[in-house]
Amino acid sequence: AQSVTQLDSQVPVFEEAPVELRCNYSSSVSVYLFWYVQYPNQGLQLLLKYLSGSTLVKGINGFEAEFNKSQTSFHLRKPSVHISDTAEYFCAVSDQGGGFKTIFGAGTRLFVKA
Amino acid sequence: IAGITQAPTSQILAAGRRMTLRCTQDMRHNAMYWYRQDLGLGLRLIHYSNTAGTTGKGEVPDGYSVSRANTDDFPLTLASAVPSQTSVYFCASSDKAGVTQYFGPGTRLTVL
Repeated sequence: AQSVTQLDSQVPVFEEAPVELRCNYSSSVSVYLFWYVQYPNQGLQLLLKYLSGSTLVKGINGFEAEFNKSQTSFHLRKPSVHISDTAEYFCAVSDQGGGFKTIFGAGTRLFVKA
Repeated sequence: IAGITQAPTSQILAAGRRMTLRCTQDMRHNAMYWYRQDLGLGLRLIHYSNTAGTTGKGEVPDGYSVSRANTDDFPLTLASAVPSQTSVYFCASSDKAGVTQYFGPGTRLTVL
């Protein structure tokens, strides 16, 4: 069975500061990894994904994440955040057998302050 | 391109009533999913369908049923609503199982 742990439920940060949202997973098989973002009163949208290849993945809006197999982590980073980055961020893992096996973390609320 | 539409946007429902949440996609995706989102629990899969005519149970299927008569539509039915089914419901689709999912805007359901 797979599981996803997002280590921080809330992350407050000042505008233009760097941020890291942490995600750890467990799985006995090879996985795909995702970060989704949810803006207020909207559905989730894909931020970035790791399927294979380079362990550093770049996504939209200046975000990037690094897959670390030995530490089973997939932390999300941005060097300088904007007020508009305030949202809920979800880490997700899927084994390579099917989308119905995608497991989502509980979410991290990023709050960017002026 | 609309992507995924869900209806209604929100609904207040008396316990014991039957309710169907509608989901339609125009991307011709084979796979579709229903999730519920509850504070502190993230998204939990209720039911899924890998292709028209087939459905499967997710993590929290009890009290819910689905059908997939065609590629575009994937309705979720609560046969007899209970207060614990108060949640935000998201429909999603993907063109290849295991890769990117595309989400609808959600339905906020309150069962009193």
